[in-house]
This record gives sequence, C-alpha cells and structure tokens, in this order.
Amino acid sequence: SAVISQKPSRDICQRGTSLTIQCQVDSQVTMMFWYRQQPGQSLTLIATANQGSEATYESGFVIDKFPISRPNLTFSTLTVSNMSPEDSSIYLCSVLKTVGEQYFGPGTRLTVT
Amino acid sequence: GENVEQHPSTLSVQEGDSAVIKCTYSDSASNYFPWYKQELGKRPQLIIDIRSNVGEKKDQRIAVTLNKTAKHFSLHITETQPEDSAVYFCAASTEAGNMLTFGGGTRLMVKP
Repeated sequence: SAVISQKPSRDICQRGTSLTIQCQVDSQVTMMFWYRQQPGQSLTLIATANQGSEATYESGFVIDKFPISRPNLTFSTLTVSNMSPEDSSIYLCSVLKTVGEQYFGPGTRLTVT
Repeated sequence: GENVEQHPSTLSVQEGDSAVIKCTYSDSASNYFPWYKQELGKRPQLIIDIRSNVGEKKDQRIAVTLNKTAKHFSLHITETQPEDSAVYFCAASTEAGNMLTFGGGTRLMVKP
C-alpha cells in the first residue's frame, strides 16, 4: 500500500472563502486522484491530478471551483474556492500504486457555515 | 460512462452468519473490480479485488465472484464478526483509465 497524509484533517470555513487541502504520499506514484464524499454518501471522483499538466476533471466539476496542483510525484493540492454550505463534505485524495489499486488518504472533513 | 449499482443498501446479520453484497456495472470495458471497507470516520480501505480474467478470489473469510457476461460481481463474507460492521463499497474501472466508479455503498451491521 502507501502512507498517505492529508492536511488539514478538518476545518470549518465561512462561506465565500477558499480552502487548500494538501495530500502527501511517502513514495512516488504515477497517478493521484481527488474524491468527494458527501455525508452518508458514496465517493465521487472530482479529478485526476496530473504531474506537470492541468488536472482532468469529471463531469460536474470545474477548474475554477476546484483548482488542483501536482508539482511532483508525491504531492498534490486541491482548493475548494468560493465555498458554500453545499461544499460541506469529506475530501479524499487517493494514489494509484499498481495497475488498478488505489489507496486513500485519511480525508479532510470540511464544514462551510 | 460507467454506472455501478450496489444492493442492498443496508444489511443486518447475526454474528457467524454469512453476508452477500451484489453489484452490477454497465461498461463492458471495465476489467478491475475492487471492494472497499469504510469504518465510521475512517478512510476507505481496499479489502479485496478481482480482475476480469478471474471468476473468483478468496482471502480468508472474504471472497469475490465475477460474472462478466451478466456484468455483476459480489462480495461474500463468511462467519461474520462484529468488527465486520462497516460500510462496504464496490467499484469498477478499466485498467487503462484507472478511474474508479463507486457503487452507492452497503451498511453492514453484524449483531453479536
């Protein structure tokens, strides 16, 4: 597997502000992903974080709202911009270790008031 | 795109009984099917997976079966224990894309 950390683990933010979530993995990985898990729901892929190029976003998610950076093979950030209460969720990064197998970070619990 | 449906949404069993969770998928190109266990407040953990060239895979008390023709796969847990209580998610992806599409989840409760 992999040792994956996320910062912050949780935060409470005011509407209209932005929060940047960091994801760090202990070894180089080819692919990193960002997911959202709304309370009591399943996981939805936001985007694939590509090293050295723009992230690939899934339907319903846009770069202006969820800008993503991936400066190297062990680190990525997700920013949730201009937040509203509907953005309250758990945000998880995951990494691809071998073909198909993804491992998740501990998640960031975001509450927007 | 891929659509994964999971049933049942909740499942309650007595300790020692077996539990079965079923998933169907829509994209015939999908060829990798992992199962994740998520305990309350924790991250999803990969517990078992199966690839399309295999019909069944076992790991101690858990097993997964795959029927590619019918596009469904199932998780079987035998001799359930209270610590098996969690939410279980199935998922599907193509090995080329590596992007997972998750089912809606099953909340398994094992009563002691």
